[in-house]
Amino acid sequence: EPEVTQTPSHQVTQMGQEVILRCVPISNHLYFYWYRQILGQKVEFLVSFYNNEISEKSEIFDDQFSVERPDGSNFTLKIRSTKLEDSAMYFCASSEAEYGPQYFGPGTRLLVL
Amino acid sequence: AQRVTQPEKLLSVFKGAPVELKCNYSYSGSPELFWYVQYSRQRLQLLLRHISRESIKGFTADLNKGETSFHLKKPFAQEEDSAMYYCALSTRGGTSYGKLTFGQGTILTVHP
Repeated sequence: EPEVTQTPSHQVTQMGQEVILRCVPISNHLYFYWYRQILGQKVEFLVSFYNNEISEKSEIFDDQFSVERPDGSNFTLKIRSTKLEDSAMYFCASSEAEYGPQYFGPGTRLLVL
Repeated sequence: AQRVTQPEKLLSVFKGAPVELKCNYSYSGSPELFWYVQYSRQRLQLLLRHISRESIKGFTADLNKGETSFHLKKPFAQEEDSAMYYCALSTRGGTSYGKLTFGQGTILTVHP
């Protein structure tokens, strides 16, 4: 059964550094999402992406964040200058339809020191 | 703005006992509700969506618009049901494009 994959599984970085989190959505899916979960807190929506553009973003998704679909398979989340509070588990999800069920990747645990 | 509340962080039952995981939501429009499950060291997996009205792994959930609830139930819990359960809401129309709003999650432990 096809699955969403994410790399790396863990990333440790210094405050102020740029990180790129990578996701490969399920191949026939058209809607892509990033969520994050700070330890002990809720899973929070960051951004949705469709037709090569952002369709919705949360207040968390400020100018330090960007998303890209550089080719037909990858979907990336870039954090330009990481802060301590960006430490979290980041989940990618994809969906075949706009309001269809979303399928999640295993997550990338980001630790900012 | 929409909100999802799962009042219980932890829920413990014995094998064979009924289990109910509570979920309440607030949203003025017509929501879509989901239950996701996360087993130990695994990814979030879709368990149920209200629109399909199906039973998965013996779990059912009914959307009660009057009480704004979407509680997850199973008549006889099994040890393999032990996991983290998340209730999530999606809204149609307006400026929403299918984003999910999650509850805090409930850790279910089923004892032998």
